[in-house]
Order: sequence, then C-alpha cells, then structure tokens
Amino acid sequence: GAVVSQHPSRVICKSGTSVKIECRSLDFQATTMFWYRQFPKQSLMLMATSNEGSKATYEQGVEKDKFLINHASLTLSTLTVTSAHPEDSSFYICSARTGVESYQPQHFGDGTRLSIL
Amino acid sequence: GEDVEQSLFLSVREGDSSVINCTYTDSSSTYLYWYKQEPGAGLQLLTYIFSNMDMKQDQRLTVLLNKKDKHLSLRIADTQTGDSAIYFCAERVGSSNTGKLIFGQGTTLQVKP
Repeated sequence: GAVVSQHPSRVICKSGTSVKIECRSLDFQATTMFWYRQFPKQSLMLMATSNEGSKATYEQGVEKDKFLINHASLTLSTLTVTSAHPEDSSFYICSARTGVESYQPQHFGDGTRLSIL
Repeated sequence: GEDVEQSLFLSVREGDSSVINCTYTDSSSTYLYWYKQEPGAGLQLLTYIFSNMDMKQDQRLTVLLNKKDKHLSLRIADTQTGDSAIYFCAERVGSSNTGKLIFGQGTTLQVKP
C-alpha cells in the first residue's frame, strides 16, 4: 500500500518552457503532499508543502511564482516550473503523507529528472 | 536549529552487518525515519521510530535511538548486494499539521560480494 506515482519520470526541454510534474497518491487520500529538490549527490531540500484546497507553504528562498503548486484533489498535486532555465535542472521528488496524524510517514514518488537545455 | 548529520560512505562485505549512524539537533523531534534511495529513483521508507522508543526491530533492520545524545543508528543484518544504495535519516519537525522532514546528507552503502 501507500503508493505514490510521479510523472513524467524524465523531461528534457528548451529554456523558457514551462514544465508540469504530477504527483498522485494511488491507493490513499493525501491531504498533505510535499515537493523536494535534489541536486546530484546531495540530500533532499524541501521546496514547499502542499495542502489540499489551500495555498501551498513555500520554504524560504523558493520563488512561489517560479514553482507553482496546485493541490486540487486529495490524490493529486502538481508542480509547474514556469519559464524554466538551465539552473532549474534538477531531480524533483514529491511525497505524500497517508494521514494528518503526526506519526504517519511520507511516501515518495520515483522522482522527475528535469533537464533544461 | 534543525540539522541532521550522517557519514557519507560505508563499505561492507556481503553477509556482514552494516551500521549507519545519524545525529540530529532538534530535541523536539517526535519521529525519526530511515529511507533508502536507489540510483535514479525516489525514496523508499524502510522504518521509523517514535522518540519515546529506544529500539525497533523489523526483520533484518534494527533501529537504535539514543535520545540523550540525539543519535540514531540503522543496523542491517546479513547485508546483501541488493542493499547497496543511499540511506537517508530524517527527523520530523514542526507541528502535526506540517510535519516537514529534515534529511541528512545520505550515506552511500557499498556491499562487496
């Protein structure tokens, strides 16, 4: 159980393109989803916390107009990288928490490798 | 502040036990987690421990928590080549509504046949 599906797995596009990444909880409802960014050989950095039906909470230093997050349903959150540039190239990973209780862990998608040319 | 530290690399022989260590700074952490990441993939939850526990065992995995020293360890018994991956420890900080995770840098486990 607790499967999180993330699509696409890899994107290569030209500078200036906007890219949308989807994160779905397949067998549970997720009121809270998280978006992370991971640079090569580094840890995960939390970008934002996405709550169903409300605005996302962004971490310090993350541009909310650059990284648009929509969590319109209990099973889907999307991250749109607007007008992407080469410095936005990274591995983006989403996670979903199985419930609102504090002990319930986050389950992760398989990540999206974004390459901007 | 919130900080999680791990050693970067561990090499063991197949069949040996592996011990991956982690230290954290936030004394209010309630839950601590171990995740496994294989190349090019997302993170797989291995196990987690509540802060009022000292030890948790799940098949080949044993988690030890020393809350006084803010030290967490993951022991993998009878390590196999399929265990080769990056292992992240994470502490849960913040309120129950947010519960964001702070990750360590990850420990690369290399298992030699």
